[in-house]
Amino acid sequence: QPHLVQSGPEVKRPGASVRVSCKTSGFDFTSFGFSWVRQAPGQGPEWLGWISAHNGNTKSAEALQGRVALTTDSSTSTAYLEVKSLKSDDTAVYYCLRASMTLRPDDAFDLWGQGTMVTVSS
Amino acid sequence: QSVLTQPPSASGTPGQRVTISCSGGNSNIGTNLVSWYQHLPGTAPKLLIFRNNQRLSGVPDRFSGSKSGTSASLAISGLRSEDEADYYCAAWDASLTGPMFGGGTKLTVL
Repeated sequence: QPHLVQSGPEVKRPGASVRVSCKTSGFDFTSFGFSWVRQAPGQGPEWLGWISAHNGNTKSAEALQGRVALTTDSSTSTAYLEVKSLKSDDTAVYYCLRASMTLRPDDAFDLWGQGTMVTVSS
Repeated sequence: QSVLTQPPSASGTPGQRVTISCSGGNSNIGTNLVSWYQHLPGTAPKLLIFRNNQRLSGVPDRFSGSKSGTSASLAISGLRSEDEADYYCAAWDASLTGPMFGGGTKLTVL
């Protein structure tokens, strides 16, 4: 059974970085890509970026202004999201989503992680 | 803030048919495919509908999607208590050069 399991909740100070992991199982990791979204309380999901586990290509949302780093480790079938220079409005639940290995406008996300709460507070 | 606009809430009684709308523009819904997601409290969101109107395998045929111009809709017929959840639309946006999600609609089964 395909599965995405994310790392646990994080509490960080403003200016710090956070890394969220997304361990996959039940499917061929390198045949897919992974998008990341976050959801602040009372809002819809906001797309942060995408990475291909096939070739490492990435695309990040311009709104994050280069603060996002996406990586994968095929030896452990895990995708990672790092957000740097955290601010209070980065507080949200972060989700990894299984996507296509190429970034495609017709993509839909058939598998989601359980979410990771990241709290940024001084 | 989402460019895809959904009503914040919807409701219906068991057995009724409810429709949730998603309004966008030419840079997203008008030129790209729409998908719909169901988010039950405490669980991971689930894909219901992709490519405007295709049901994911295992999704009951009570759920249907449609698109016209720059708007899309999710219809749920034969409403059941377990349908009480948050529902999100999504579509690729040319300005974002990535997927955009709606703000979500909380469905209450009365």
